[in-house]
Amino acid sequence: GESVGLHLPTLSVQEGDNSIINCAYSNSASDYFIWYKQESGKGPQFIIDIRSNMDKRQGQRVTVLLNKTVKHLSLQIAATQPGDSAVYFCAERTTDSWGKFQFGAGTQVVVTP
Amino acid sequence: DTEVTQTPKHLVMGMTNKKSLKCEQHMGHRAMYWYKQKAKKPPELMFVYSYEKLSINESVPSRFSPECPNSSLLNLHLHALQPEDSALYLCASSPWADSNQPQHFGDGTRLSIL
Repeated sequence: GESVGLHLPTLSVQEGDNSIINCAYSNSASDYFIWYKQESGKGPQFIIDIRSNMDKRQGQRVTVLLNKTVKHLSLQIAATQPGDSAVYFCAERTTDSWGKFQFGAGTQVVVTP
Repeated sequence: DTEVTQTPKHLVMGMTNKKSLKCEQHMGHRAMYWYKQKAKKPPELMFVYSYEKLSINESVPSRFSPECPNSSLLNLHLHALQPEDSALYLCASSPWADSNQPQHFGDGTRLSIL
């Protein structure tokens, strides 16, 4: 079936370095993508989103890249800080999925001093 | 602080108990959701409400009963739960169910079934 997945379950990053979190999706009809951050004991927090008519979108210290040719989504975090330690989920939906997001498996990001 | 408020934060109940989880949002969103999340796993959709009507039930066992009294409130009534139902229950909302806009999550209720 269609699925959204991540390549790396855990990513260890040194403080100050840039982080790249990857996500693969298999549904070519997916047209909207979101990255969420979930800290321990909290719910998923919206970080950034991107629509399929875009290749790149930037926020504060974060950039999302979408490569529709290879069905790949990535989240780049600049100058990673200890507060960035969390689990990151990608999520995607199609126009006709009506409220249903397909979540990836998640990547644990650990920021080391 | 999140704009979606869930109570209680923690709940311990026996398999014969009846309890309810509550969720509230004041963002004017007309779509609300219940998710179940096991440790180290992504959220799994349970129910979708759109304009206070149940629109999607992801084949959830009847021991979970959702209710949407008004556009700001969402409840999840629990009865005769099983130990495998222990999980984090997340509520979310969005402007509409069919819009390309993010869902906003609460911090969840951590449920433990004895």
